Amino acid sequence: DTGVSQDPRHKITKRGQNVTFRCDPISEHNRLYWYRQTLGQGPEFLTYFQNEAQLEKSRLLSDRFSAERPKGSFSTLEIQRTEQGDSAMYLCASSSPYQGGSPLHFGNGTRLTVT
Amino acid sequence: AQKITQTQPGMFVQEKEAVTLDCTYDTSDQSYGLFWYKQPSSGEMIFLIYQGSYDEQNATEGRYSLNFQKARKSANLVISASQLGDSAMYFCAMREGQRNTPLVFGKGTRLSVIA
Repeated sequence: DTGVSQDPRHKITKRGQNVTFRCDPISEHNRLYWYRQTLGQGPEFLTYFQNEAQLEKSRLLSDRFSAERPKGSFSTLEIQRTEQGDSAMYLCASSSPYQGGSPLHFGNGTRLTVT
Repeated sequence: AQKITQTQPGMFVQEKEAVTLDCTYDTSDQSYGLFWYKQPSSGEMIFLIYQGSYDEQNATEGRYSLNFQKARKSANLVISASQLGDSAMYFCAMREGQRNTPLVFGKGTRLSVIA
């Protein structure tokens, strides 16, 4: 169990640029979640996958955001035409396929700064 | 309406003392799960403890226990024998239903342990 891995750890970009983040979940976990966390707040749900199927998207996920999990393993989160309001920590988590008591295991996050 | 409410933005506790962090939740589901996570200044989200809505006994994990009062819809975290390393943000979260749906997080409580 190597844990959830996210890359990059930090990303600084200029407003209007596109950025892409990667998440590698724990290998036996079939569910993968993306959250966003701003300073002083709890994580806010963005979207999640079961295997390669995207099951739910939050209203927070505007048209500029897209997430994929093409082979049911790693996932990418892309933000197009970044805005300063996109500056946040983007957290990825995964969970096992068992019943509702399975906790989410989080990666260390990608901190995005839009200048 | 907020699904998870944490009313204490910050708490202080003396080392070796016990502390209770409050969490109330709102759901109409009969089946749900409650989770507590710790987030140190380094940023990673660490799972601490889980309580299922049908669990009759309060959950315990080492120095952590969950004071579950179903009728009052509260799920307070109790940390016994506080240590300096317990200083962190603590988040309460809820999953509604029995499947691995996303967690909804509260805004957190910052705990500071004083020597």
